[in-house]
Amino acid sequence: DGGITQSPKYLFRKEGQNVTLSCEQNLNHDAMYWYRQDPGQGLRLIYYSQIVNDFQKGDIAEGYSVSREKKESFPLTVTSAQKNPTAFYLCASSIGQGKETQYFGPGTRLLVL
Amino acid sequence: SQKIEQNSEALNIQEGKTATLTCNYTNYSPAYLQWYRQDPGRGPVFLLLIRENEKEKRKERLKVTFDTTLKQSLFHITASQPADSATYLCALDISGGYQKVTFGIGTKLQVIP
Repeated sequence: DGGITQSPKYLFRKEGQNVTLSCEQNLNHDAMYWYRQDPGQGLRLIYYSQIVNDFQKGDIAEGYSVSREKKESFPLTVTSAQKNPTAFYLCASSIGQGKETQYFGPGTRLLVL
Repeated sequence: SQKIEQNSEALNIQEGKTATLTCNYTNYSPAYLQWYRQDPGRGPVFLLLIRENEKEKRKERLKVTFDTTLKQSLFHITASQPADSATYLCALDISGGYQKVTFGIGTKLQVIP
């Protein structure tokens, strides 16, 4: 069953803690993306990757880091430098090579304790 | 500045009627525009893509128009059903066709039985 998975569904972060959100896809897609969604705001792009071992900052990359060591995996770390991390985080992938449709995971809701 | 506007207020319509959602943008020249559906607490799901050289696209009960002069897309759901109740997001290409898009905040549609 092909798809994109995110874990965990809910994540709690303490002050000063780094946390990592998982995103895995078995669609054989080249491109992967991380978005943040806040109430009353559109999805905002954090980071994206067009190919393995390469990634680019999006509009709100400060306080976040990513890696793309494998085609199927694109984990996002929310660092302690991100002062307002409470949000719904969405991972997406697309075939790449000019194919534009993005396939989204179910999301991770991050809450601060 | 670059901006995407969708009706930020919820749209309530009677079952069986046609729902029309609007997406306006400024200062972009997108190669394409997409519409996604998002249910509460879930990731968006792709519905339709329309390119700059297309005026209209249809899929079952869905129709999208794209007017690059007016900088506007209209999204229609005919014979609406309560199951169509969701938030609908428009997304614009901002990278000349290289998979980077920006999303509107979405319009919440409620279809009343």
